[in-house]
Amino acid sequence: EAGVAQSPRYKIIEKRQSVAFWCNPISGHATLYWYQQILGQGPKLLIQFQNNGVVDDSQLPKDRFSAERLKGVDSTLKIQPAKLEDSAVYLCASSSGLDHYEQYFGPGTRLTVT
Amino acid sequence: EDQVTQSPEALRLQEGESSSLNCSYTVSGLRGLFWYRQDPGKGPEFLFTLYSAGEEKEKERLKATLTKKESFLHITAPKPEDSATYLCAPLGDYKLSFGAGTTVTVRA
Repeated sequence: EAGVAQSPRYKIIEKRQSVAFWCNPISGHATLYWYQQILGQGPKLLIQFQNNGVVDDSQLPKDRFSAERLKGVDSTLKIQPAKLEDSAVYLCASSSGLDHYEQYFGPGTRLTVT
Repeated sequence: EDQVTQSPEALRLQEGESSSLNCSYTVSGLRGLFWYRQDPGKGPEFLFTLYSAGEEKEKERLKATLTKKESFLHITAPKPEDSATYLCAPLGDYKLSFGAGTTVTVRA
């Protein structure tokens, strides 16, 4: 079974630039999550999708972050404009159920904002 | 606000030296608690889900237990391949909150 795919794996940008991350979940998984993990901290949920609808985006900084999951499969997370404090690993995860069932994580995208 | 504290932050063990990791939490409406393992440069890997106080789950050298305010991850006779960061994540009212993790290093 193929795992969660993410790209790119690494990205370096200057502040005020924009960046986009892509995620393809495990086939058949209806629920998709984006997390931000700052060095030395646990992952923080940014947004949760059920199929192509948003379930929870309460911790998403909506003035600069946006995410979409068209057709209920793969998803993109965008940051525009980026700030220094956005430097982190962005993790995508998927699960078969809505209720935070066993989540499968991708390898993450390490973003460095200079 | 939900709070999750994991201790210790780091743990260095000799191979075969058993120990325990602690996850204490203050969560509104606890519905379950998850344990994940994270290796450097990788995403977290699911280990266990615990749903009620008194519940225990085992997997190889790992055993997770749950009380009303804490969860413990016991590592019995660890091997170097058990070296990783272990994350706990209690699930409150539809919100999952991860702790900062305990980084375990097992020396041969």
